[in-house]
Amino acid sequence: DIQMTQSPSSLSASVGDRVTITCRASQHIGRWLAWYQQKPEKAPKSLIYDASTLQTGVPSRFSGSGSGTDFSLTITNLRPEDFATYYCQHYHGYPLTFGGGTKVEIK
Amino acid sequence: EVQLLESGGDLVQPGGSLRLSCAVSGFSFSSYAMSWVRQAPGKGLEWVSVISSGGDSTSYADSVRGRFTISRDNYKNTLYLQMNSLRAEDTAVYYCAKQRETFGDSGTDYWGQGTLVTVSS
Repeated sequence: DIQMTQSPSSLSASVGDRVTITCRASQHIGRWLAWYQQKPEKAPKSLIYDASTLQTGVPSRFSGSGSGTDFSLTITNLRPEDFATYYCQHYHGYPLTFGGGTKVEIK
Repeated sequence: EVQLLESGGDLVQPGGSLRLSCAVSGFSFSSYAMSWVRQAPGKGLEWVSVISSGGDSTSYADSVRGRFTISRDNYKNTLYLQMNSLRAEDTAVYYCAKQRETFGDSGTDYWGQGTLVTVSS
C-alpha cells in the first residue's frame, strides 16, 4: 500500500501569511494527488486534483505542485476562512490513502 | 447543484449490522464512481470503499473487507454501504463522495455532509 506522509502536522500562521504544506508518497504516484480542506464539524471540501488543478470555485490563492513522490499545497495571503485542516490523498491505485492531515491555526 | 445526502447512521451494538444510504441529485449518477470515506472522532480521514459507475467494480480498505459491501442503484440515484459484524473501531462519521471519473481510482470532487455510526454496547 502507498503511504502518504504530511508535514507539518500543525502550524500557526497569521492572516496575510503564505503557508506551504507538504505531502510525500511512499511510491511514485505521478500526479494522481488531491488536496482537501476540512473545517471543524464540517464535511471535507475538494480543493485541488491532479496535483495542481483547482476545483471549480476554489480561490486562486490556493495552489498545488509536485509529481512523483513529493507534493505541496501553498496558500498565499492567508484569509480567516482558510484556518482548517488540510488532507492530501493519492488515487494511484487502491487503497486510496489519505495523509494524516495538517491543521492550520491562527497565530 | 450537486447534492449528496447520507442517512442510516445509528447506535448499534458490536457484532450488529447497519445499512447506510446516500441519495444524490444534481448530476448524472450513473456516469461516476462513488466512494465512502469515514472519520473516527478526533481522527483523520480514512478511505473505506469505492464502486465504479456501473457497479461492476468495487474495492475496499483492508479494515472493512469481508464485512462491508458497497453497492449502488443507478435507477434510484442511491449509493449504499452494508456494514456487518460491526466493531467499536468502526465508530465514525461516514461520508459519501462523488469521484471525478467513471472509475474508482480518481479524485473526489463532491462530499456529503456525513452520517454518524456509533458501535457500542
